[in-house]
Amino acid sequence: QVQLVESGGGVVQPGRSLRLSCAASGFTFSSYGMHWVRQAPGKGLEWVTLISYDGSDKYYGDSVKGRFTISRDNSKNTLYLQMNSLRPEDTAVYYCAKGISRIAVAPFDYWGQGILVTVSS
Amino acid sequence: DIQMTQSPSSLSASVGDRVTITCRASQGISNYLAWYQQKPGKVPKLLIYAASTLQSGVPSRFSGSGSGTDFTLTISSLQPEDVATYYCQKYNSAHFTFGPGTKVDIK
Repeated sequence: QVQLVESGGGVVQPGRSLRLSCAASGFTFSSYGMHWVRQAPGKGLEWVTLISYDGSDKYYGDSVKGRFTISRDNSKNTLYLQMNSLRPEDTAVYYCAKGISRIAVAPFDYWGQGILVTVSS
Repeated sequence: DIQMTQSPSSLSASVGDRVTITCRASQGISNYLAWYQQKPGKVPKLLIYAASTLQSGVPSRFSGSGSGTDFTLTISSLQPEDVATYYCQKYNSAHFTFGPGTKVDIK
C-alpha cells in the first residue's frame, strides 16, 4: 500500500532553515509528480510546491518562491523540502502528497500524515 | 492568478439530507477541478477529480458536476461520517489553488 512518511519538522527561529523529508513506499516513486501542501493551525490547505516525476520541473507558490526548494532522490524514494529564511507565517502542518498520474498537473491521491513546523523565537 | 471561492463556508444538515457545495473559479478552468474531504484531525482525502470522476473507494452518494467556472459537490444523503471540511482545488496549471473550504456538520 502507498505510504508517505514525513520527517524533519520541529521548532525553528525566524530566519533560520529547516529541511523536511518524505519517504515514499508502495508505488513506483520515480513515475509520479510529488507535492508539498501546508495547513496553518485552524486554517485551510495551501499548495506549496510541485516537482515532476524526474525532477526536471519545479513550481512554487508565490508565498514561498525564492525561499523554499523542492527536490527528490528517486534512488532513495525520498522527497525533500528545503525551507530557508523561515517566517512565523510559515508555521503549519506540512504534507507531502502524490500526484495521481505521471502528468504534473493532476490532483493528489495520497497524502502523508503531515509534520508540524513551528517558526517562533 | 485564478482565485477559488466556495459557498457556503459552513452548513448544518440532518442525516439523510441532500447537501450541495458550490465552488467558483475566477477564470475558466475547463474540468480541472478536484474535491477533497478532510475529517477533523485527519489527512485530506481525494473524493472527485476531473469535476465529476469519483475516486476509487469513495461512496456513490458523493457526486460532482460543472465545467468552466462553476462547480458543485453533492452528497445525496448525508451520513454522520461525512462530517468534515470539503475543499475544491483547481489543477489546470502548475498552481494548484485550493478553495477556502466548506465545513459540514450534522444538525
